Amino acid sequence: QSALTQPRSVSGSPGQSVTISCTGASSDVGGYNYVSWYQQYPGKAPKLMIYDVNKRPSGVPDRFSGSKSGNTASLTISGLQPEDEADYYCCSFSGTYTWVFGGGTELTVL
Amino acid sequence: EVQLLESGGGLVQPGGSLRLSCVASGFTFSSYAMNWVRQAPGTGLEWVAVICGNGLSAFYADSVKGRITISRDNSKNTLFLQMNSLRAEDTAVYYCAKLGGDYVYDYNYYMDVWGKGTTVTVSS
Repeated sequence: QSALTQPRSVSGSPGQSVTISCTGASSDVGGYNYVSWYQQYPGKAPKLMIYDVNKRPSGVPDRFSGSKSGNTASLTISGLQPEDEADYYCCSFSGTYTWVFGGGTELTVL
Repeated sequence: EVQLLESGGGLVQPGGSLRLSCVASGFTFSSYAMNWVRQAPGTGLEWVAVICGNGLSAFYADSVKGRITISRDNSKNTLFLQMNSLRAEDTAVYYCAKLGGDYVYDYNYYMDVWGKGTTVTVSS
C-alpha cells in the first residue's frame, strides 16, 4: 500500500491549463479504472472532482477532466481560475477492497 | 441534504484508546459502504478502513491493522472507529467518507461525501 506519486506543486496563470500526474503500479492505477481525484482547501474536507478515471460528478465544472495511461493517471484543469488554487489528491482502488491516495499536489494560480 | 458529522476526537496518551463516531443523514445509510480517511498535520490523505453496508465485512490499511476496528450501527445511522494502542503517528484529522455505493454489490469505488473531520492528538 505505497502512496501514489504526485508532483508536490504545480502552477499556472489564469486561463491556462495545468495537468497533475498520479503514478502508481499495475496493482492499483494500472490495474483498475477506479481512479478518483479530490480537491481540498486548507482546513476543509476533500471534495470529489473526478471518479472512474474521467467522470465528473454533477456540479463540477467541465474545466476539470481526467485520463489514464498505463500506471499513470492525470487531472487536467483548463481555463484556470483563482478559485482552483487548492490541494489535489488522486486515489486508486488497489484490490481486495483497499484504496491508496497520492501524496497531494499544491496548485498555485499565479 | 447529505451530511456526515464526526465526533470523539481529542488528546490521548500514547498507548491509549479512543472511539470516533460519525453520524450520517440525508441518505439511506445502510445502503452504502463507509470509510475512514485520515490526514496527519501538513501531510496528505491516508485511507484507513472501509466497512460494507450491512457491517459484515471490513478492510484495513496495513498501517492500522490489528489496532483499529471499524464498525457501524445502521439503526442509529452511525459509523465508528475504535482506536487502541495509539501512537504519535496516529495524530491526524480523521474524516468519515461515504463510498459511492456498497462494494459488496457494485463498483462505485470513490468517496463522494465527506465529513468535516475530528482531530486526534496522541501525545504525553
